[in-house]
Amino acid sequence: GAGVSQSPRYKVAKRGQDVALRCDPISGHVSLFWYQQALGQGPEFLTYFQNEAQLDKSGLPSDRFFAERPEGSVSTLKIQRTQQEDSAVYLCASSLLPGQEVRFHEQFFGPGTRLTVL
Amino acid sequence: AQSVTQLGSHVSVSEGALVLLRCNYSSSVPPYLFWYVQYPNQGLQLLLKYTSAATLVKGINGFEAEFKKSETSFHLTKPSAHMSDAAEYFCAVSGVNAGNMLTFGGGTRLMVKP
Repeated sequence: GAGVSQSPRYKVAKRGQDVALRCDPISGHVSLFWYQQALGQGPEFLTYFQNEAQLDKSGLPSDRFFAERPEGSVSTLKIQRTQQEDSAVYLCASSLLPGQEVRFHEQFFGPGTRLTVL
Repeated sequence: AQSVTQLGSHVSVSEGALVLLRCNYSSSVPPYLFWYVQYPNQGLQLLLKYTSAATLVKGINGFEAEFKKSETSFHLTKPSAHMSDAAEYFCAVSGVNAGNMLTFGGGTRLMVKP
């Protein structure tokens, strides 16, 4: 596809359930990011992949959050034992390469997955 | 550490009026700055980016932003608001950590009155 896609677009989970959110980045993009956007706030960084390597996971709020990108393309964000505070929109973004040139800093975003934990 | 502040979580203008959305940043190194727009139930779309080639940056849909280093600001403007401009706008700065991760401001919701 031409852009970043995410699935599902909406997810409702009961507290304590595990969820898995999928991201398909733009083909050929090396860098992949996950962000969490709480209601009425700006997105906040969760984690970063360069190809299949997770180089930064400093933004993951707890050890219930886990992300992977095993083949360097599709990524999955998994949340175990969901809590109400996990309710948010989860955004995935990709960019061409890491590097200093501004074109490497431009990120392309998917539509997001809206997670609601009841 | 980088941070971005957007003054005014809500801005309301009349159709045809000037749009001004404020953004101030703090960064220890010259940053790359971006404005993104988010329509309801959609992802973020890039409006424009500051690349250091010029302090006045033109973007899509008639928007532009001026980088002022002395004021650490990157305010977004549009001479004449259109109803279709109603959306959430985010200012962001990228750095050298985590593969150029973005740090976002809290967002400004622009409302356009007929």
